[in-house]
Amino acid sequence: DTEVTQTPKHLVMGMTNKKSLKCEQHMGHRAMYWYKQKAKKPPELMFVYSYEKLSINESVPSRFSPECPNSSLLNLHLHALQPEDSALYLCASSQEVQEGNTIYFGEGSWLTVV
Amino acid sequence: AQTVTQSQPEMSVQEAETVTLSCTYDTSESDYYLFWYKQPPSRQMILVIRQEAYKQQNATENRFSVNFQKAAKSFSLKISDSQLGDAAMYFCAYRSLFGNEKLTFGTGTRLTIIP
Repeated sequence: DTEVTQTPKHLVMGMTNKKSLKCEQHMGHRAMYWYKQKAKKPPELMFVYSYEKLSINESVPSRFSPECPNSSLLNLHLHALQPEDSALYLCASSQEVQEGNTIYFGEGSWLTVV
Repeated sequence: AQTVTQSQPEMSVQEAETVTLSCTYDTSESDYYLFWYKQPPSRQMILVIRQEAYKQQNATENRFSVNFQKAAKSFSLKISDSQLGDAAMYFCAYRSLFGNEKLTFGTGTRLTIIP
């Protein structure tokens, strides 16, 4: 059963707030990802964790701070965001980072920054 | 760097008919993976089908099949017996075989099913 769960489904936050997006998978996958998706656009990679270590940061602003507490959990801490950061944030996982393994996505968290 | 092109921003098909979505890509690699993902209005990205470039045989998953032409760098998706639940944005995606965590997406094709 391929399932990546994300919470919350919707989040509205002010530009001075601190909030977090959470992601969990129980498939034993060792790679986890954060993607950002704007309306009518494909997802854009933000971060990759492999075996709980950050392996890729796609030059994401520091107001986004990822955290991988264990192999099943991935958080995205948000602070001092801008309205243009409003988007769908997708968490994903795969068995391994390499070898072209299929990436499975969660339902996403809709973020609105006001 | 790899690129993925979907030249059809929108497509429509009558329910129960067949539709083909186009995808071309550019790469200098010889081994890689290709995917079709579906994103319905609920916004979850759902894997539709996957193709390994080293396999000659086209992948098939129930009503979904691909036409993989490696030399032409083409990877089209055929949906047979279209159903209302097939309405979604469809993304073609490329992933290297080794050492590259990125999934490179095309710009997507919005598929409408006409009852």
